[in-house]
Amino acid sequence: AQTVTQSQPEMSVQEAETVTLSCTYDTSENNYYLFWYKQPPSRQMILVIRQEAYKQQNATENRFSVNFQKAAKSFSLKISDSQLGDTAMYFCALPSRDMRFGAGTRLTVKP
Amino acid sequence: EPEVTQTPSHQVTQMGQEVILRCVPISNHLYFYWYRQILGQKVEFLVSFYNNEISEKSEIFDDQFSVERPDGSNFTLKIRSTKLEDSAMYFCASRGGDSPNYGYTFGSGTRLTVV
Repeated sequence: AQTVTQSQPEMSVQEAETVTLSCTYDTSENNYYLFWYKQPPSRQMILVIRQEAYKQQNATENRFSVNFQKAAKSFSLKISDSQLGDTAMYFCALPSRDMRFGAGTRLTVKP
Repeated sequence: EPEVTQTPSHQVTQMGQEVILRCVPISNHLYFYWYRQILGQKVEFLVSFYNNEISEKSEIFDDQFSVERPDGSNFTLKIRSTKLEDSAMYFCASRGGDSPNYGYTFGSGTRLTVV
């Protein structure tokens, strides 16, 4: 069974600081991708970043980067220089036959 | 950049009424999905659709739900007799590649309110 666990329901960070959101997962697949999606108050689901499991290098997209530890099945998202517009729900996701989402972490960026 | 388009953005309906939620996936995508998110809860898989038929469905997707691709562009979700607990955001998504490892593109969602 494929599962995704996000153990931090809510987090907050001061503007311009760095925050890390945690995600662990379980899969029997060897080659797979992992995703982080952002859901702002508008409720749209926006792809933030993806990581290929067979790549050792951690993915980076501007201020967003991941810390992928395959052996530990851990996939955390780091947001640097947090901005007010980063306030959103963040979902970790693992594709199987469909996309499995974690329960989400509500991130609030404070001015 | 190509988008998945969902209409309407918000629909209010009386309990027991039928609703149809509409989606226009990205034109060269082959795999289509519906997800549901009850307010404050996680995003839940409803159904996947490929080659004009359902390929997977969850336990949520009971006989009240159906999906259709009536023409080459639209992908619809029908709820036959809505219940209060059907109130949620409904997201359509599509992907182009064979592997689920391709990222899904989501629409903006339809907020369904059953009163």
